[in-house]
Amino acid sequence: QVQLVQSGAEVKKPGASVNVSCKASGYTFNDYWIHWVRQAPGQGLEWVGWIYPNSGVTKFAQKFQGRVTMTRDTSINTAYMELSRLTSDDTAVYYCTRDLNWAYDYWGQGTLVTVSS
Amino acid sequence: DIVMTQTPLSSPVTLGQPASISCRSSQSLVYSDGNTYLSWLQQRPGQPPRLLIYKVSNRLSGVPDRFSGSGAGTDFTLKISRVEAEDVGVYYCMQGTQNPWTFGQGTKVEIK
Repeated sequence: QVQLVQSGAEVKKPGASVNVSCKASGYTFNDYWIHWVRQAPGQGLEWVGWIYPNSGVTKFAQKFQGRVTMTRDTSINTAYMELSRLTSDDTAVYYCTRDLNWAYDYWGQGTLVTVSS
Repeated sequence: DIVMTQTPLSSPVTLGQPASISCRSSQSLVYSDGNTYLSWLQQRPGQPPRLLIYKVSNRLSGVPDRFSGSGAGTDFTLKISRVEAEDVGVYYCMQGTQNPWTFGQGTKVEIK
């Protein structure tokens, strides 16, 4: 069965960086785009960007350009999202999700990133 | 960016009764390949979102047939034919036609 398992919760200080991992299993990792979506406490969903594991090509939302990096390690079927220069506005649950026909059919459990001094 | 507007934002429903959520996009969601990349997600409390419907009206395998999606162009609807207790949560529409992908604000479905 398809699973996306994310790394655990993080607490970071303003200005720091955070790296969240997403390990995929149950399907061919290279064949599906992985997207990252975040959700601030009590708020809606916000698209961060995607990576295509086969090639490593990435695309980010404009507001994250220059602050976000997405990479993958195909040998261990894992995608990574790094967000730098964190502020309190980045406090959110970050989800990785698999792209099926430009919709999200499988989701990770979410990683809470808390930015606090 | 394409703005997705959902109505209502809150929907108190009696068990066994129907519910309907509207989603309107600021631009047509028809892509150059002829497909319309509009999907619906359900988020139960404390859970990640779950895909219900993709490409307007395609129900994901395992999703109960009381959920249905319809619409075209800029106007879309999610219908629940008979609401059950497990349907409580927040429902989002989402467009994948144009970068950046965007979501509606969410509609909270609760039992009266």
